[in-house]
Amino acid sequence: AQSVSQHNHHVILSEAASLELGCNYSYGGTVNLFWYVQYPGQHLQLLLKYFSGDPLVKGIKGFEAEFIKSKFSFNLRKPSVQWSDTAEYFCAVNARNSGTYKYIFGTGTRLKVLA
Amino acid sequence: DVKVTQSSRYLVKRTGEKVFLECVQDMDHENMFWYRQDPGLGLRLIYFSYDVKMKEKGDIPEGYSVSREKKERFSLILESASTNQTSMYLCASSGTSPRRVRTDTQYFGPGTRLTVL
Repeated sequence: AQSVSQHNHHVILSEAASLELGCNYSYGGTVNLFWYVQYPGQHLQLLLKYFSGDPLVKGIKGFEAEFIKSKFSFNLRKPSVQWSDTAEYFCAVNARNSGTYKYIFGTGTRLKVLA
Repeated sequence: DVKVTQSSRYLVKRTGEKVFLECVQDMDHENMFWYRQDPGLGLRLIYFSYDVKMKEKGDIPEGYSVSREKKERFSLILESASTNQTSMYLCASSGTSPRRVRTDTQYFGPGTRLTVL
C-alpha cells in the first residue's frame, strides 16, 4: 500500500536556523507531491507542489522542496526560519490507485521556532 | 479566493446519536473530500466525491456515510456516533474536472472538532 513517512514528529529551532523536514513515500508509479502547512488556528493551506519539470520547487514564504526520484523523497527546506513559521507541516502524495487518484498525507511535523 | 466552510467549529454529541457535518464550497469545484485529523496519525481520507451523487470510499469509511445532492455541498454522516469518532473533521475541495484531480491543490475548511461522549 502507498504510504508517506515524515520522520520528524516534533522539531524545535531557534530563529535564523536552517530547516529541513524529511518526507519519503512508497509508490513506484507517477506521483504528485505536496507540502501543506497549518498555522495555529488556521486552515491547512498549500505551501508548494511538484508534478513535473524542475525537481527543485519553490513555494511561499521562502520554502523550497526537492524531489529526488531515486530516493522517493520530497524534503522541505528553508535556509532561515522565522518565529512565524511555527506550524504543523504535512507532506502529501497524490497517486493513482485502482483507477483513481487519491491523496495520502503523512503524519505531520510540528515545528516550533523560538524567538 | 476559494472558500470552504463547515457548519460547526465545535460539536458535542452523545454515543449513538446521528451526526451531520456539512461542508460548502463556493468555487464550483468538482471534487470534495472528508478527512479526519488525529494527533500522530495525520489526515486520513474518509470519503470523497467527484461529482454530484457520486462518492467513493477512502481509507477509513467504516461508520461513516456521505451525501452530495448539490455540487457545492458535501455532507458527512455518522450513523451512530461512537467515542472513537471523537476527532477533528476536515472538508476539502479541488479542481474543476475529475481528470485534474492528479495535480490539483486541495482547499480546506476550518475543521469541525467533534467530541462524542
